[in-house]
Amino acid sequence: AQSVTQLDSQVPVFEEAPVELRCNYSSSVSVYLFWYVQYPNQGLQLLLKYLSGSTLVESINGFEAEFNKSQTSFHLRKPSVHISDTAEYFCAVSALRTGNQFYFGTGTSLTVIP
Amino acid sequence: DTEVTQTPKHLVMGMTNKKSLKCEQHMGHRAMYWYKQKAKKPPELMFVYSYEKLSINESVPSRFSPECPNSSLLNLHLHALQPEDSALYLCASTSGPPSSEAFFGQGTRLTVV
Repeated sequence: AQSVTQLDSQVPVFEEAPVELRCNYSSSVSVYLFWYVQYPNQGLQLLLKYLSGSTLVESINGFEAEFNKSQTSFHLRKPSVHISDTAEYFCAVSALRTGNQFYFGTGTSLTVIP
Repeated sequence: DTEVTQTPKHLVMGMTNKKSLKCEQHMGHRAMYWYKQKAKKPPELMFVYSYEKLSINESVPSRFSPECPNSSLLNLHLHALQPEDSALYLCASTSGPPSSEAFFGQGTRLTVV
C-alpha cells in the first residue's frame, strides 16, 4: 500500500516570497506522484505530475516539484508567490502498475499575505 | 473535452429524502470514482468503477448506492442520510488502470438537514 505525508498543515507566506510545500511518500512499489490544488468550494485541479524521466517537473503557473527517490519526497516549490496562489494543496500517489486508486496527503493550506 | 461534469452543484435534503448525484465524462476514461470531502480534509475514496464494474467499495454505508449505467456516467443514490453525511462529493475519472492522473469534477455540496 501507499501513503502520503504532508508535514505542514498551514503555510503563511508574504506575497512575492518563495515557498516550499513538503510531501513525503511511502510505497513498496514504484509510484506516480501528483500535486493537486483546490480553491474554495471547487474540485481538485492537477498542478503537476511525475510519471518518469526528468525528476524536475514544472507547471504553467510557476510551480515546480522535484522527485527524490532516495528521500521519497516530492516537494512543491515556487520562487515568488501571488495572492491568487492562496489555496489548499494536496500531494497524491498512485501505484505505477496497478494504479487506479489515489492516496492523498492531508493537505497544506497556503495563505499568501499581501 | 477534458471535463468531468457533476450535477447538481448544491443539494439540500432531509433525512428521509431520496436524491441522486450525477457525474459525466466524455474523455473515454474507463475508471470513475466517488470521493467524499469534509472541510479542510483530503478527499476520502468511497467507490471505484473500472470498466463499468464496481471494483472498490471502501466500506461505505448502504445509504450510499453507486451506479454506473454506462462508461460515461456515474450516479450516487442517496437515501436516509444523516447530518454527518454533509460534505463535498467529488467525482473523478482516469484512463487507467494504470492511470496517469485523475480528472475531478467541481463537486456537489451536500447538506443534510
